[in-house]
Amino acid sequence: AQSVAQPEDQVNVAEGNPLTVKCTYSVSGNPYLFWYVQYPNRGLQFLLKYITGDNLVKGSYGFEAEFNKSQTSFHLKKPSALVSDSALYFCAVRAPVYSSASKIIFGSGTRLSIRP
Amino acid sequence: DVKVTQSSRYLVKRTGEKVFLECVQDMDHENMFWYRQDPGLGLRLIYFSYDVKMKEKGDIPEGYSVSREKKERFSLILESASTNQTSMYLCASSLPSRDTQYFGPGTRLTVL
Repeated sequence: AQSVAQPEDQVNVAEGNPLTVKCTYSVSGNPYLFWYVQYPNRGLQFLLKYITGDNLVKGSYGFEAEFNKSQTSFHLKKPSALVSDSALYFCAVRAPVYSSASKIIFGSGTRLSIRP
Repeated sequence: DVKVTQSSRYLVKRTGEKVFLECVQDMDHENMFWYRQDPGLGLRLIYFSYDVKMKEKGDIPEGYSVSREKKERFSLILESASTNQTSMYLCASSLPSRDTQYFGPGTRLTVL
């Protein structure tokens, strides 16, 4: 069975500092990995995804994520945080086999708070 | 610009009422999904549909049903609302590869 874990409920970072939001996964085969962001009172917005290729994936708003197969991780990173990055971030995973059983599983979410 | 809309942003209903949540997408996507979002639990899949009139149960279908009569519209139905169904409900759509999902703004339902 596939699963995804976000070990931190909340991450606090000062503006201008680098940020990391952690995600680990468990899935059979090579995973499809996603990051979504949810701003207050809004739906989820797609940030980036990894399917194959370069382990470092670049996405929207200056975010990037690094796929690490040996550690089964897909941490979200940004070199310099902005106050406007404060939001709820979700990691998600899907097994590569396309079938009705191959659903996207979302993590529990990490609230990112950037202080000025 | 892709768009998924949900009929209500906020909804207050009473226990036992029948509740309809509507979702419409304008991207001609085959797949549509209903999730509920609760603090600390992330998103949990209630039902999804991969074609008109087709539906499959997700992880927490109990107490819910769905309807998809047209490709662009996917409805979530609470047959008899209960207080434990108070939650944020999110609709999403995607292409058949079920790769990237596009989400609506959500409906915050309160059942009193």
